[in-house]
Amino acid sequence: GAGVSQTPSNKVTEKGKYVELRCDPISGHTALYWYRQSLGQGPEFLIYFQGTGAADDSGLPNDRFFAVRPEGSVSTLKIQRTERGDSAVYLCASSLARGDGYTFGSGTRLTVV
Amino acid sequence: EDKVVQSPLSLVVHEGDTVTLNCSYEVTNFRSLLWYKQEKKAPTFLFMLTSSGIEKKSGRLSSILDKKELSSILNITATQTGDSAIYLCAVPIYNQGGKLIFGQGTELSVKP
Repeated sequence: GAGVSQTPSNKVTEKGKYVELRCDPISGHTALYWYRQSLGQGPEFLIYFQGTGAADDSGLPNDRFFAVRPEGSVSTLKIQRTERGDSAVYLCASSLARGDGYTFGSGTRLTVV
Repeated sequence: EDKVVQSPLSLVVHEGDTVTLNCSYEVTNFRSLLWYKQEKKAPTFLFMLTSSGIEKKSGRLSSILDKKELSSILNITATQTGDSAIYLCAVPIYNQGGKLIFGQGTELSVKP
């Protein structure tokens, strides 16, 4: 695609529910990153994929968070047993190679009520 | 621990004013610094700086890196209401897959 696409753009869920957030990167971009941005803060790194494998998941806050990229293209960020503190904008970025020319998606605003 | 700090956190100016936004960093194996503009949700790329003392310019926006001071500034001259946004500074950590370490952002509001 022409840009990085994230769906849904907004998601409201009840505390304790499971959510999936999708990122469709630019075609051919092998590196994919997930970030979380809380209100009034800069984005914080969650996880980085190089191809299909999670090369660095050190930013995932706890084991309720998990992400996959099974075919090296689309990635899904999965959050189990959501908590109100998970409310944030989740941003996805892709690049042709690691550390080179990042393009960000429009993000998913997750609200846990 | 790698760290990026921006100041001020927020700024209110009137159209026509000139503003200077600051970014300082403490990063091992530094290679580059990036500036983004964020309106609504998606950060959009402004500048990438790698060499100290060389100004990058795009219209009314310019930026420069000072490796000795471990800092960068972003200048906006003759501000317009459309410049209202959050400005983010970020440093890629190349030995950790190129993940970005962001500052907190500076929220700029330009009043008519």
